[in-house]
Amino acid sequence: AQSVAQPEDQVNVAEGNPLTVKCTYSVSGNPYLFWYVQYPNRGLQFLLKYITGDNLVKGSYGFEAEFNKSQTSFHLKKPSALVSDSALYFCAVIRAGFQKLVFGTGTRLLVSP
Amino acid sequence: KAGVTQTPRYLIKTRGQQVTLSCSPISGHRSVSWYQQTPGQGLQFLFEYFSETQRNKGNFPGRFSGRQFSNSRSEMNVSTLELGDSALYLCASSFFLAGGSAYNEQFFGPGTRLTVL
Repeated sequence: AQSVAQPEDQVNVAEGNPLTVKCTYSVSGNPYLFWYVQYPNRGLQFLLKYITGDNLVKGSYGFEAEFNKSQTSFHLKKPSALVSDSALYFCAVIRAGFQKLVFGTGTRLLVSP
Repeated sequence: KAGVTQTPRYLIKTRGQQVTLSCSPISGHRSVSWYQQTPGQGLQFLFEYFSETQRNKGNFPGRFSGRQFSNSRSEMNVSTLELGDSALYLCASSFFLAGGSAYNEQFFGPGTRLTVL
């Protein structure tokens, strides 16, 4: 069965500093991984995905994620955090051929001015 | 393109009642999925429809059902509401090719906040 783990409930970072939100996965077969962000009272917004290819994936709003097969990780990163990045971030995995996203528990990112 | 729309945005019901939620996918998207989000259980998959057929189903009781129309719009229904059904219900659509790989990202609507009293 596919699963993802987000070990941190909350990440605090100062504006302008780099940020990392961690995600590890457990899948049988090739992993298809996604990051979504949720702002208060809003649905989920797609940030980026890893299907195959380069281990560094670039996405929306300056976010990128690094796929590491040996460590089964897919950490979300941004070189310089903005206060407006404060939100709830979800890592997710999908099984090929099925439209069922399996989400992690989410990590709340707080960026202080 | 217009995004995924969900109606209503907020609902208040009492135990035992039933409710119907509606979702209009992005134009051209034929796959519609539903998710339940609660503080305790997080985001959980309910079911997915493609071309009016339910293709995948999550681990929810039969009180949760859905359907999809020929224009890809979808509805989900919850009968005999329980307090634990209070949640944010999210609909997502994607461009999924029949027989192709499920690699396309899903686009989510703003959700319907259901409160059961």
